[in-house]
Amino acid sequence: DAKTTQPPSMDCAEGRAANLPCNHSTISGNEYVYWYRQIHSQGPQYIIHGLKNNETNEMASLIITEDRKSSTLILPHATLRDTAVYYCIVRSILSGGGADGLTFGKGTHLIIQP
Amino acid sequence: DTAVSQTPKYLVTQMGNDKSIKCEQNLGHDTMYWYKQDSKKFLKIMFSYNNKELIINETVPNRFSPKSPDKAHLNLHINSLELGDSAVYFCASSRRRGHTDTQYFGPGTRLTVL
Repeated sequence: DAKTTQPPSMDCAEGRAANLPCNHSTISGNEYVYWYRQIHSQGPQYIIHGLKNNETNEMASLIITEDRKSSTLILPHATLRDTAVYYCIVRSILSGGGADGLTFGKGTHLIIQP
Repeated sequence: DTAVSQTPKYLVTQMGNDKSIKCEQNLGHDTMYWYKQDSKKFLKIMFSYNNKELIINETVPNRFSPKSPDKAHLNLHINSLELGDSAVYFCASSRRRGHTDTQYFGPGTRLTVL
């Protein structure tokens, strides 16, 4: 799976949109972009995924650049409960990896400020 | 109802002991996983299990063995516990093994080996 690069931490004011960037410049055509988050002392939680089109669900929006080398996760109205580590993961449709598991990097620690 | 549950939540034990962590999912999923999150917060896949097929991450010591009594359960047995086994262990499940299937994680089991 391709490597991703994310800022280690970000702050965002409560009620504002949180925009989390992810660089995946070596992504190949058969790889999806996934976002998960991990709230303190909990298991990771799926947020959203996409291939090349922008995606939106009840939690967030995912914007993927046309060249697919980067993406941005947008939480439209951040709340204190959105404070978590956010992981950007690229995943091949051809193989899931050694045990079909997700490959987590260091992620971005998003802190929502009151 | 909790989708993926694990017991116990905390486990403290002595070096050399054998212990088990239980995982159950009520989502009707075919694939289950075990992940390990170490003290540096890196989350790594250990195993995936699907239709009696076990895929093992080659870095996992053979002291670790998953056992599945039925499709809804995947328990983790650890023999001869070592200090380095101290970590948080997460169980997860997905509808099937595949790139687009969301993985649902349990709340984690914090294992401390003294």
